[in-house]
Amino acid sequence: GIQVEQSPPDLILQEGANSTLRCNFSDSVNNLQWFHQNPWGQLINLFYIPSGTKQNGRLSATTVATERYSLLYISSSQTTDSGVYFCAVKPSNFGNEKLTFGTGTRLTIIP
Amino acid sequence: NAGVTQTPKFQVLKTGQSMTLQCAQDMNHEYMSWYRQDPGMGLRLIHYSVGAGITDQGEVPNGYNVSRSTTEDFPLRLLSAAPSQTSVYFCASSDRTGGGYGYTFGSGTRLTVV
Repeated sequence: GIQVEQSPPDLILQEGANSTLRCNFSDSVNNLQWFHQNPWGQLINLFYIPSGTKQNGRLSATTVATERYSLLYISSSQTTDSGVYFCAVKPSNFGNEKLTFGTGTRLTIIP
Repeated sequence: NAGVTQTPKFQVLKTGQSMTLQCAQDMNHEYMSWYRQDPGMGLRLIHYSVGAGITDQGEVPNGYNVSRSTTEDFPLRLLSAAPSQTSVYFCASSDRTGGGYGYTFGSGTRLTVV
Protein backbone atom coordinates (compact mmCIF):
# COMPACT_ATOMS: atom_id res chain seq x y z
CA GLY A 1 0.00 0.00 0.00
CA ILE A 2 0.90 3.66 -0.14
CA GLN A 3 3.51 4.89 2.33
CA VAL A 4 3.17 8.23 4.12
CA GLU A 5 6.13 9.73 5.97
CA GLN A 6 5.97 12.86 8.07
CA SER A 7 8.85 14.92 9.36
CA PRO A 8 9.99 15.95 11.81
CA PRO A 9 8.40 13.55 14.31
CA ASP A 10 8.70 16.11 17.10
CA LEU A 11 9.06 19.88 17.09
CA ILE A 12 9.39 22.23 20.06
CA LEU A 13 9.17 25.96 19.37
CA GLN A 14 8.86 29.21 21.21
CA GLU A 15 5.62 31.11 20.86
CA GLY A 16 5.77 33.41 17.84
CA ALA A 17 8.07 31.17 15.79
CA ASN A 18 7.28 29.81 12.34
CA SER A 19 7.35 26.15 11.40
CA THR A 20 7.20 23.88 8.37
CA LEU A 21 5.90 20.33 8.53
CA ARG A 22 6.50 17.91 5.68
CA CYS A 23 4.55 14.93 4.31
CA ASN A 24 6.05 12.60 1.69
CA PHE A 25 3.98 9.94 -0.02
CA SER A 26 4.99 7.04 -2.21
CA ASP A 27 2.32 7.04 -4.94
CA SER A 28 0.05 9.39 -6.85
CA VAL A 29 -2.92 10.61 -4.82
CA ASN A 30 -6.27 12.24 -5.51
CA ASN A 31 -6.96 13.20 -1.91
CA LEU A 32 -4.59 14.73 0.63
CA GLN A 33 -5.70 16.21 3.93
CA TRP A 34 -3.99 17.80 6.91
CA PHE A 35 -5.45 17.31 10.39
CA HIS A 36 -4.69 18.76 13.80
CA GLN A 37 -5.26 16.59 16.86
CA ASN A 38 -5.51 18.84 19.89
CA PRO A 39 -4.36 17.80 23.38
CA TRP A 40 -7.91 16.61 24.15
CA GLY A 41 -7.79 14.17 21.25
CA GLN A 42 -10.15 15.91 18.86
CA LEU A 43 -9.20 15.63 15.17
CA ILE A 44 -9.83 18.77 13.15
CA ASN A 45 -9.59 18.94 9.38
CA LEU A 46 -7.27 21.81 8.40
CA PHE A 47 -6.96 21.46 4.65
CA TYR A 48 -8.13 19.33 1.78
CA ILE A 49 -5.26 19.88 -0.67
CA PRO A 50 -4.44 17.21 -3.28
CA SER A 51 -2.52 19.85 -5.24
CA GLY A 52 -1.74 23.55 -5.17
CA THR A 53 -1.67 26.01 -2.29
CA LYS A 54 -4.27 27.07 0.26
CA GLN A 55 -4.20 29.50 3.16
CA ASN A 56 -6.37 29.84 6.24
CA GLY A 57 -5.22 32.56 8.61
CA ARG A 58 -1.80 31.73 10.02
CA LEU A 59 -1.83 28.31 8.39
CA SER A 60 -1.08 27.49 4.79
CA ALA A 61 -0.40 24.30 2.86
CA THR A 62 1.22 23.43 -0.43
CA THR A 63 1.09 20.09 -2.24
CA VAL A 64 3.40 19.32 -5.17
CA ALA A 65 1.68 16.22 -6.47
CA THR A 66 4.23 15.53 -9.22
CA GLU A 67 6.99 15.34 -6.61
CA ARG A 68 4.80 13.55 -4.04
CA TYR A 69 5.07 15.84 -1.07
CA SER A 70 3.05 18.35 0.88
CA LEU A 71 4.07 21.09 3.31
CA LEU A 72 2.12 22.65 6.15
CA TYR A 73 3.26 26.11 7.26
CA ILE A 74 2.38 27.59 10.64
CA SER A 75 3.32 31.21 11.17
CA SER A 76 3.49 33.16 14.44
CA SER A 77 2.85 30.02 16.50
CA GLN A 78 0.51 30.16 19.48
CA THR A 79 0.22 27.72 22.39
CA THR A 80 -3.13 26.60 20.98
CA ASP A 81 -1.26 25.25 17.94
CA SER A 82 0.23 22.51 20.12
CA GLY A 83 -0.81 18.97 19.33
CA VAL A 84 -0.18 16.38 16.64
CA TYR A 85 -0.45 17.19 12.95
CA PHE A 86 -1.38 14.35 10.61
CA CYS A 87 -1.16 14.10 6.86
CA ALA A 88 -3.53 11.60 5.20
CA VAL A 89 -3.70 10.53 1.57
CA LYS A 90 -5.83 8.47 -0.74
CA PRO A 91 -4.21 6.80 -3.78
CA SER A 92 -5.44 7.70 -7.25
CA ASN A 93 -6.25 4.08 -8.07
CA PHE A 94 -9.83 3.84 -9.26
CA GLY A 95 -12.07 2.42 -6.57
CA ASN A 96 -9.50 2.82 -3.82
CA GLU A 97 -11.41 4.44 -1.01
CA LYS A 98 -8.83 4.02 1.72
CA LEU A 99 -7.39 7.12 3.40
CA THR A 100 -3.94 6.35 4.83
CA PHE A 101 -2.48 8.42 7.66
CA GLY A 102 1.13 9.25 8.44
CA THR A 103 2.40 8.85 12.00
CA GLY A 104 2.22 12.58 12.66
CA THR A 105 4.36 15.48 13.82
CA ARG A 106 4.01 16.39 17.49
CA LEU A 107 4.27 20.17 17.87
CA THR A 108 4.81 21.77 21.25
CA ILE A 109 4.65 25.56 21.52
CA ILE A 110 6.31 26.98 24.64
CA PRO A 111 5.00 30.31 26.00
CA ASN B 1 -25.20 20.65 15.86
CA ALA B 2 -24.20 18.97 12.61
CA GLY B 3 -21.37 16.50 12.89
CA VAL B 4 -20.33 12.99 13.81
CA THR B 5 -21.48 11.60 17.14
CA GLN B 6 -19.75 8.67 18.80
CA THR B 7 -20.92 6.79 21.87
CA PRO B 8 -19.76 5.83 24.41
CA LYS B 9 -16.78 8.11 25.09
CA PHE B 10 -15.16 5.61 27.46
CA GLN B 11 -15.59 1.87 27.91
CA VAL B 12 -13.89 -0.90 29.88
CA LEU B 13 -14.45 -4.46 28.74
CA LYS B 14 -13.34 -7.83 30.00
CA THR B 15 -11.56 -10.18 27.62
CA GLY B 16 -14.11 -12.12 25.61
CA GLN B 17 -16.95 -9.65 25.98
CA SER B 18 -18.63 -8.15 22.94
CA MET B 19 -19.86 -4.62 22.41
CA THR B 20 -20.92 -2.13 19.77
CA LEU B 21 -19.44 1.32 19.28
CA GLN B 22 -22.03 3.67 17.87
CA CYS B 23 -21.42 6.29 15.17
CA ALA B 24 -24.02 8.62 13.67
CA GLN B 25 -23.73 11.57 11.31
CA ASP B 26 -26.38 14.08 10.31
CA MET B 27 -24.66 15.59 7.25
CA ASN B 28 -26.05 13.07 4.73
CA HIS B 29 -22.49 11.95 3.97
CA GLU B 30 -22.07 8.90 1.78
CA TYR B 31 -18.69 7.81 3.09
CA MET B 32 -18.09 6.63 6.65
CA SER B 33 -15.13 4.89 8.20
CA TRP B 34 -13.69 3.58 11.46
CA TYR B 35 -10.09 4.09 12.59
CA ARG B 36 -8.15 3.01 15.61
CA GLN B 37 -5.34 5.10 17.06
CA ASP B 38 -2.50 3.50 18.97
CA PRO B 39 0.54 5.29 20.41
CA GLY B 40 3.24 5.88 17.81
CA MET B 41 1.21 4.29 15.01
CA GLY B 42 -1.07 7.07 13.82
CA LEU B 43 -4.54 6.13 12.67
CA ARG B 44 -5.25 2.81 10.98
CA LEU B 45 -8.36 2.07 8.95
CA ILE B 46 -10.54 -0.76 10.28
CA HIS B 47 -13.61 -0.75 8.00
CA TYR B 48 -15.28 1.73 5.72
CA SER B 49 -18.53 2.20 3.79
CA VAL B 50 -19.22 4.14 0.58
CA GLY B 51 -22.99 4.08 1.07
CA ALA B 52 -25.88 2.28 2.74
CA GLY B 53 -25.57 -1.46 2.30
CA ILE B 54 -21.92 -1.30 1.17
CA THR B 55 -18.96 -1.99 3.45
CA ASP B 56 -15.36 -3.05 2.95
CA GLN B 57 -12.29 -3.91 4.98
CA GLY B 58 -9.50 -1.56 5.79
CA GLU B 59 -5.98 -2.22 7.03
CA VAL B 60 -6.82 -3.91 10.38
CA PRO B 61 -10.30 -5.52 10.13
CA ASN B 62 -9.76 -8.70 12.17
CA GLY B 63 -11.96 -8.92 15.26
CA TYR B 64 -14.39 -6.24 14.08
CA ASN B 65 -17.66 -6.24 12.15
CA VAL B 66 -19.61 -3.38 10.63
CA SER B 67 -22.92 -2.83 8.88
CA ARG B 68 -24.50 0.17 7.16
CA SER B 69 -28.27 -0.16 7.10
CA THR B 70 -28.86 3.60 6.89
CA THR B 71 -26.88 6.58 5.59
CA GLU B 72 -26.68 8.05 9.10
CA ASP B 73 -25.40 5.12 11.18
CA PHE B 74 -22.24 3.01 11.02
CA PRO B 75 -21.80 0.85 14.14
CA LEU B 76 -18.58 -1.05 14.88
CA ARG B 77 -18.92 -4.38 16.65
CA LEU B 78 -16.21 -6.06 18.66
CA LEU B 79 -17.00 -9.76 18.54
CA SER B 80 -14.82 -11.06 21.39
CA ALA B 81 -12.72 -8.33 22.95
CA ALA B 82 -8.98 -8.89 23.38
CA PRO B 83 -6.38 -6.73 25.18
CA SER B 84 -4.85 -5.95 21.77
CA GLN B 85 -8.03 -4.04 20.96
CA THR B 86 -7.32 -1.50 23.69
CA SER B 87 -7.19 1.71 21.70
CA VAL B 88 -8.92 4.95 20.85
CA TYR B 89 -11.51 4.51 18.12
CA PHE B 90 -12.55 7.27 15.73
CA CYS B 91 -15.43 7.37 13.31
CA ALA B 92 -15.29 9.71 10.31
CA SER B 93 -17.56 10.74 7.48
CA SER B 94 -17.19 12.67 4.23
CA ASP B 95 -19.24 13.79 1.27
CA ARG B 96 -18.08 12.06 -1.88
CA THR B 97 -20.21 14.18 -4.20
CA GLY B 98 -18.61 17.02 -6.05
CA GLY B 99 -14.97 17.80 -5.54
CA GLY B 100 -12.78 18.66 -2.64
CA TYR B 101 -14.16 16.64 0.22
CA GLY B 102 -12.61 16.56 3.65
CA TYR B 103 -13.27 14.27 6.55
CA THR B 104 -15.19 15.08 9.72
CA PHE B 105 -14.21 13.03 12.77
CA GLY B 106 -16.15 12.13 15.88
CA SER B 107 -14.68 12.82 19.31
CA GLY B 108 -13.51 9.24 19.78
CA THR B 109 -14.16 6.27 22.06
CA ARG B 110 -11.43 5.24 24.47
CA LEU B 111 -11.68 1.47 24.93
CA THR B 112 -9.76 -0.57 27.50
CA VAL B 113 -9.88 -4.37 27.45
CA VAL B 114 -8.70 -6.04 30.66
